Amino acid sequence: DGGITQSPKYLFRKEGQNVTLSCEQNLNHDAMYWYRQDPGQGLRLIYYSQIVNDFQKGDIAEGYSVSREKKESFPLTVTSAQKNPTAFYLCASSARLASNNEQFFGPGTRLTVL
Amino acid sequence: SQQGEEDPQALSIQEGENATMNCSYKTSINNLQWYRQNSGRGLVHLILIRSNEREKHSGRLRVTLDTSKKSSSLLITASRAADTASYFCATDWTYNTDKLIFGTGTRLQVFP
Repeated sequence: DGGITQSPKYLFRKEGQNVTLSCEQNLNHDAMYWYRQDPGQGLRLIYYSQIVNDFQKGDIAEGYSVSREKKESFPLTVTSAQKNPTAFYLCASSARLASNNEQFFGPGTRLTVL
Repeated sequence: SQQGEEDPQALSIQEGENATMNCSYKTSINNLQWYRQNSGRGLVHLILIRSNEREKHSGRLRVTLDTSKKSSSLLITASRAADTASYFCATDWTYNTDKLIFGTGTRLQVFP
């Protein structure tokens, strides 16, 4: 059953703590992405990666970090430096890093900072 | 700022009616995609239209693109309650095809 998975579905964090969101895909896609979605808003790009051990900052990378040690995995760490981390986080992948490629999305992780 | 802006922000219709959503963008593009998002879920790709195409169909979906007006429309014909979702357009930039920029979305409610 091919697809992209994210865990956990819901995550609660205390202020000042770092937290890591998981994203795994078994679609053999080269490119992976992390987006943030706030209520009533579109998606904003945090980080993206086109190949293992390589990633680029998106439009709102401050306070976030990523790694791409394996092709199928692209975890996102929300650090204590992120001023307003409560949001819905979506991971996506595509066959290639190109805008004519369809992006496949995971089910999302809802992060709440208490 | 976001490249795409959808209009209207929200739309309510009865089953069987057609739903039209519009997307306007600011710069020249190579590709425009439409996605659907059910509440609290991930996005699902619906259709891609290239800058040299004017119209594309997929089942009950019809997408048009007018590059002179920098706008696109998504028409859902004979809507069903299951079409209730948010719909987003996403574009690239002519000089940066690495990533997509998503609009703010149209929330569609279809009443049975």
